[in-house]
Amino acid sequence: NAGVTQTPKFQVLKTGQSMTLQCAQDMNHEYMSWYRQDPGMGLRLIHYSVGAGITDQGEVPNGYNVSRSTTEDFPLRLLSAAPSQTSVYFCASSYSRLAGIADTQYFGPGTRLTVL
Amino acid sequence: DAKTTQPTSMDCAEGRAANLPCNHSTISGNEYVYWYRQIHSQGPQYIIHGLKNNETNEMASLIITEDRKSSTLILPHATLRDTAVYYCIVKGRGAQKLVFGQGTRLTINP
Repeated sequence: NAGVTQTPKFQVLKTGQSMTLQCAQDMNHEYMSWYRQDPGMGLRLIHYSVGAGITDQGEVPNGYNVSRSTTEDFPLRLLSAAPSQTSVYFCASSYSRLAGIADTQYFGPGTRLTVL
Repeated sequence: DAKTTQPTSMDCAEGRAANLPCNHSTISGNEYVYWYRQIHSQGPQYIIHGLKNNETNEMASLIITEDRKSSTLILPHATLRDTAVYYCIVKGRGAQKLVFGQGTRLTINP
């Protein structure tokens, strides 16, 4: 298994540009999520999905869109990039969304985004 | 989810046991204690989790006090590769969202 993969590893954008950060997992995990990490800070949840066709907002959703058309993929879209979105973005997945299940989340290697 | 409090930084000598404390005084009965670590801006890595009993795996041990208001992560024989930021997270049963705090920056010294 490749686990959780993210592309690209690095990206530089100009203010106002749009782009999509890709995240894929090959573990048949139901739950997927996106976090951002600013320098010296902990991770903050942007959006998450408990299964194909179902998404919800996290702690800092503004400026980001997501969709989940397949179990494997969970792309994060920046519609109009701003310098405040300069950050490292991590995607994560875990097996089950069922209540009562305590399971672990697996993180991807991250995408380092700079918005000028 | 309950809030956690961890020391900002700790040092430990290589080969010694590293004991990382975490306070979670408002934890409720169905909330688990999770530990993750992040090595030099890599993606966070799961270490261990527990509900009320002590737990051990190949990476670490987790000691939870009887009143569940605090816990300690133990790395029994720390190596230089254990230098990382360690996050203690309390997560409710059925809740998938992880709420990360500032964590403890653990430095293992040769």
